[in-house]
Amino acid sequence: EVQLVESGGGLVQPGGSLRLSCAASGFTFSRYWYHWVRQAPGKGLVWLSRINSDGTSTTYADSVKGRFTISRDNAKNTLYLQIDSLRAADTAIYYCARSTATYLEHWGQGTLVTVS
Amino acid sequence: QSALTQPASVSGSPGQSITISCTGTSSDIGGYNYVAWYQHHPGKAPKVLIYDVNNRPSEVSTRFSGSKSGNTASLTISGLQAEDEADYYCSSYTSSSTRLFGGGTKLTVL
Repeated sequence: EVQLVESGGGLVQPGGSLRLSCAASGFTFSRYWYHWVRQAPGKGLVWLSRINSDGTSTTYADSVKGRFTISRDNAKNTLYLQIDSLRAADTAIYYCARSTATYLEHWGQGTLVTVS
Repeated sequence: QSALTQPASVSGSPGQSITISCTGTSSDIGGYNYVAWYQHHPGKAPKVLIYDVNNRPSEVSTRFSGSKSGNTASLTISGLQAEDEADYYCSSYTSSSTRLFGGGTKLTVL
């Protein structure tokens, strides 16, 4: 069974940093591309970033470029999202997702980040 | 980049059909056949319903269908059921090689 489990969320002060993790199991992690998506309280889904299968290519939404860094460790079957200079507007549930070439096929349950 | 435009809410009675629209630009929906639709029950993982405009994963009910005309994509749900009550999001690939979501549509089954 495909499983993606996010962790690393919590309460952080403004200006702080956080590294989110997404642990994968039930499939060959290294074959796929991955994305991060977030949902602020009462708001819709917002795409943040994606990384290719070997980690050599990344793309970011303009709104997070320079503050967010996506990375992966294929040996540990884990995806990461480093978030720096946290601000209140970053408060959200953060989801990781495995993708095919054109859509986000499997999603995790999310991890909550609260900046206050 | 602004979110794709969806109606904030739609409603329908059990057994009826509803359609949710998703409007973008020639740089996203209009330029590529990479529109996907996701169903999201709060507290759960989002689930893909439609990909590449009108393709459905094998495990998704045939009651869900997608289409596109110009810069607007649509999701139709036929034979509404109580469990269809959820939030629905469209998404498109963009000319910047990013993905863009719609603002989301809350479906209420009356």
